[in-house]
Amino acid sequence: EPEVTQTPSHQVTQMGQEVILRCVPISNHLYFYWYRQILGQKVEFLVSFYNNEISEKSEIFDDQFSVERPDGSNFTLKIRSTKLEDSAMYFCASSEAVDYGYTFGSGTRLTVV
Amino acid sequence: SQKIEQNSEALNIQEGKTATLTCNYTNYSPAYLQWYRQDPGRGPVFLLLIRENEKEKRKERLKVTFDTTLKQSLFHITASQPADSATYLCAPGAHGNNRLAFGKGNQVVVIP
Repeated sequence: EPEVTQTPSHQVTQMGQEVILRCVPISNHLYFYWYRQILGQKVEFLVSFYNNEISEKSEIFDDQFSVERPDGSNFTLKIRSTKLEDSAMYFCASSEAVDYGYTFGSGTRLTVV
Repeated sequence: SQKIEQNSEALNIQEGKTATLTCNYTNYSPAYLQWYRQDPGRGPVFLLLIRENEKEKRKERLKVTFDTTLKQSLFHITASQPADSATYLCAPGAHGNNRLAFGKGNQVVVIP
């Protein structure tokens, strides 16, 4: 069964440093997403991406965040200057269409110290 | 503001019984509603999608209903097994809206 692949599985970074989280969505999917989940809390929407541009973003997705699809397969989330409160599990997801089920990756656990 | 409500208390159920979970939503008019399963430390796994013109959807031992008048979806696991123990998330979605929001989830514990 096709999978969404995320790397790294764990990342520890110093406050103020930049991090890039990487994702390889399912190849024939057209819609890509980033979500985060702070420990013990709900899965929160960050951003959706379609046709090489952001289609929706949440209030969490401020100027510190950016997304890119640098080539035909990778989809990245960059946090420019990490804060302690950015510590969370970050999930990438993809779907064939807007109103189809999403396939999630297994996540990157980001710890900011 | 839009709200998605799922029971915060874990549902403990005996193996073989039917588990029923409720998802209520307010200030939404979703065109469809999705259900996912999440295990600790893992990403959500898509289970079922039910559209506004469908009353019921089934997949193996899972059944979902969608009542747009009550603004509620029910999720049933029949003949529950210990392997069904997980947190189940509901996510109402709107037409053309590319920002699916999730409820906090409802934990199910199936006791052998």
